[in-house]
Amino acid sequence: KAGVTQTPRYLIKTRGQQVTLSCSPISGHRSVSWYQQTPGQGLQFLFEYFSETQRNKGNFPGRFSGRQFSNSRSEMNVSTLELGDSALYLCASSSSPGAYTNYGYTFGSGTRLTVV
Amino acid sequence: GDSVTQMEGPVTLSEEAFLTINCTYTATGYPSLFWYVQYPGEGLQLLLKATKADDKGSNKGFEATYRKETTSFHLEKGSVQVSDSAVYFCALIGPSFQKLVFGTGTRLLVSP
Repeated sequence: KAGVTQTPRYLIKTRGQQVTLSCSPISGHRSVSWYQQTPGQGLQFLFEYFSETQRNKGNFPGRFSGRQFSNSRSEMNVSTLELGDSALYLCASSSSPGAYTNYGYTFGSGTRLTVV
Repeated sequence: GDSVTQMEGPVTLSEEAFLTINCTYTATGYPSLFWYVQYPGEGLQLLLKATKADDKGSNKGFEATYRKETTSFHLEKGSVQVSDSAVYFCALIGPSFQKLVFGTGTRLLVSP
């Protein structure tokens, strides 16, 4: 069974640009969550999508947005990039929001975004 | 709000030493608890979990017991290996399935 696939693995962008990151969950998983990991703030929740609907959102500015497609693949977009957006962005999938009790969340390897 | 507190690292051990990484939590209701491990340049891997009080999660020689009375979920391993060197994250998720809340992570360095 293929794992959670995130693309690209690495990105370098310039301040002010926008970026789109992609996440393909495990086949059959319909819940996708996004987390930002930085040395200073640690792991912080961005948002969760289930069946194409945003179910929950963390405390991030509106420049951070996401969506989920009918095949459960998800994208997150960051507009007007700032230096502080440099981070590892991790995607996690689960069969449903409550299924973590049996299977936990499975994480991808992440996309390393560097803003210069 | 919910929170997780882990011991500061790095934890430096010799191969075959006993490992304990402390984790305590604050949460509303009865959360599920997790340990994740992150190897250099990689994402998070679920190491073990416990979903109710007194449950013991175990995997690859690692163990942790959900202690409601002390709100703790300490990670232990009887004999560490060099390959266990990584960053370990304690995490919880509340009963309303909102989000994973992570501790700050503890780096483990095991020398031969």
